[in-house]
Amino acid sequence: KAGVTQTPRYLIKTRGQQVTLSCSPISGHRSVSWYQQTPGQGLQFLFEYFSETQRNKGNFPGRFSGRQFSNSRSEMNVSTLELGDSALYLCATSEGYRLIRELFFGEGSRLTVL
Amino acid sequence: GIQVEQSPPDLILQEGANSTLRCNFSDSVNNLQWFHQNPWGQLINLFYIPSGTKQNGRLSATTVATERYSLLYISSSQTTDSGVYFCAVELGDFGNEKLTFGTGTRLTIIP
Repeated sequence: KAGVTQTPRYLIKTRGQQVTLSCSPISGHRSVSWYQQTPGQGLQFLFEYFSETQRNKGNFPGRFSGRQFSNSRSEMNVSTLELGDSALYLCATSEGYRLIRELFFGEGSRLTVL
Repeated sequence: GIQVEQSPPDLILQEGANSTLRCNFSDSVNNLQWFHQNPWGQLINLFYIPSGTKQNGRLSATTVATERYSLLYISSSQTTDSGVYFCAVELGDFGNEKLTFGTGTRLTIIP
């Protein structure tokens, strides 16, 4: 079956703009979580959605937000972009959101903020 | 929060050599996964191994949950094994359902 699909793969924005990234999970997966990867901070958890509800949130400012639709697809939005938001954004999906579970990642969306 | 340490940070080997990557974690975990990050950034699942031993071709992994460490073995290395290897753990308590990643081991295989 198809893997986790993230779009767009690459994008360039300027400071102050906003961006929306999309993640389509593996069929049957209802949990979608988002991670940010930067050279300085490594891989950090942003938030997780399950059944259209945010279940957990990392330590990121309110400019970072997300949502999940009834078909389990998820979007994340970053408003008022800053240079430090340049990163690889990865989404991961799993069947459930607690206890024993294996997470699968998409190819990522690489954001450059100029 | 939980600490995840990986060693060594960098490893350079000749093609055909064997290697062992280590992951230490500071708390009891429900889940542990090993990933290989390819040059394009995707995290490729290698093992889902909260405990025990698994093997997949030239790769194998062992997690000793009671002693809070996991090992990834790569035998007969190939240049395609190059990249960064991450271990990631997840606590089981409510509100902590997220992967915490180690800083990774960068493996370079020289032909």
